[in-house]
Amino acid sequence: LAKTTQPISMDSYEGQEVNITCSHNNIATNDYITWYQQFPSQGPRFIIQGYKTKVTNEVASLFIPADRKSSTLSLPRVSLSDTAVYYCLVVKDSNYQLIWGAGTKLIIKP
Amino acid sequence: GAVVSQHPSRVICKSGTSVKIECRSLDFQATTMFWYRQFPKKSLMLMATSNEGSKATYEQGVEKDKFLINHASLTLSTLTVTSAHPEDSSFYICSAPREGVGIQYFGAGTRLSVL
Repeated sequence: LAKTTQPISMDSYEGQEVNITCSHNNIATNDYITWYQQFPSQGPRFIIQGYKTKVTNEVASLFIPADRKSSTLSLPRVSLSDTAVYYCLVVKDSNYQLIWGAGTKLIIKP
Repeated sequence: GAVVSQHPSRVICKSGTSVKIECRSLDFQATTMFWYRQFPKKSLMLMATSNEGSKATYEQGVEKDKFLINHASLTLSTLTVTSAHPEDSSFYICSAPREGVGIQYFGAGTRLSVL
């Protein structure tokens, strides 16, 4: 499974756009890129998933360049409640097994 | 709303007792479910893959006799921590992939505290 690398922590302010970049150099052809959010003492919550180019939903956008060796999660106009750990994962479509990295602890300040 | 229900959310037990944690997929069937353990400020660690109708697949270093997994139906997997000890205290989380959608959904987690 492809290993992912992302910043350990990031700070931002309310109302700003936050971009978290993840590298996954060993991604395979059939792998998907998925992002989860986790609050303390809660299970991870699915944010967004993509294969290539750009995906957008009601909470975030995911940008994936043509070589797919990295991806960027974009959170528009963050609020204090977006303070959480964000995990980037590469998922094999065949068995859904997830390998979790350290994640990025995002702290939003007022 | 939640698509994977995990129960109980918190349990405190005495050393030597067994604790059962349930994981249910609410509106879809899951032939496979996953069980994770998470220590404070650490990432999730996969313990085992639960397979409906067959034996679970355990990750290296996870004692299968200690962490019993049963996946008796397409919507329910259980994890039983047998003869729990204080070192088993942790946050346990289950997940289930929604086939065809390609997204894995997680339970809310169970905080186990063994006294």
